[in-house]
Amino acid sequence: GAGVSQSPSNKVTEKGKDVELRCDPISGHTALYWYRQRLGQGLEFLIYFQGNSAPDKSGLPSDRFSAERTGESVSTLTIQRTQQEDSAVYLCASSYLTGISDTQYFGPGTRLTVL
Amino acid sequence: KQEVTQIPAALSVPEGENLVLNCSFTDSAIYNLQWFRQDPGKGLTSLLLIQSSQREQTSGRLNASLDKSSGRSTLYIAASQPGDSATYLCAVRWGLNDYKLSFGAGTTVTVRA
Repeated sequence: GAGVSQSPSNKVTEKGKDVELRCDPISGHTALYWYRQRLGQGLEFLIYFQGNSAPDKSGLPSDRFSAERTGESVSTLTIQRTQQEDSAVYLCASSYLTGISDTQYFGPGTRLTVL
Repeated sequence: KQEVTQIPAALSVPEGENLVLNCSFTDSAIYNLQWFRQDPGKGLTSLLLIQSSQREQTSGRLNASLDKSSGRSTLYIAASQPGDSATYLCAVRWGLNDYKLSFGAGTTVTVRA
């Protein structure tokens, strides 16, 4: 079946503008995650959604970052008033949550460049 | 602080040599550990997932071991090929109710033909 998809693949924006990044998880996956990968660094957790539970927002770096998820489908990560340090690849992942097999499957990412 | 470390940051080997990639973590009470492969411009591909109760997992030429007491996991790739060139990431899930993954910075592997 189809994997996790993300759009756009690349986004160049000017400092101070708002951006929206989209993630379509694998159908049937109840959990969805956003991570950020800055150049030369490891992945950082941003936010996690599971069904109708309150999202885990503990990784969001500032109140300029927010995310929404519609049911168990599409998610949108929004960054307001972008800064140059927001430049990174933003990766989305989805998984089942069975307590036994919870392999996270990643999308190709959105490369965000803030000028 | 819970951290995941991968050393070395980069590795270059001739084709056919076995690869040994190391991952260490600071808290032995992990829930599971996952190895990923990342190719330039692409997302992550899951290679192996080891539950905390397991000692190793195998898939084809790949074998991953887990030693919780020493806080280490090792990924072995047998008979390396140029197509194995990529960045390999280790990720830890710390607890049953903690679903996010903590990643190491990765080891970039180059297999020379």
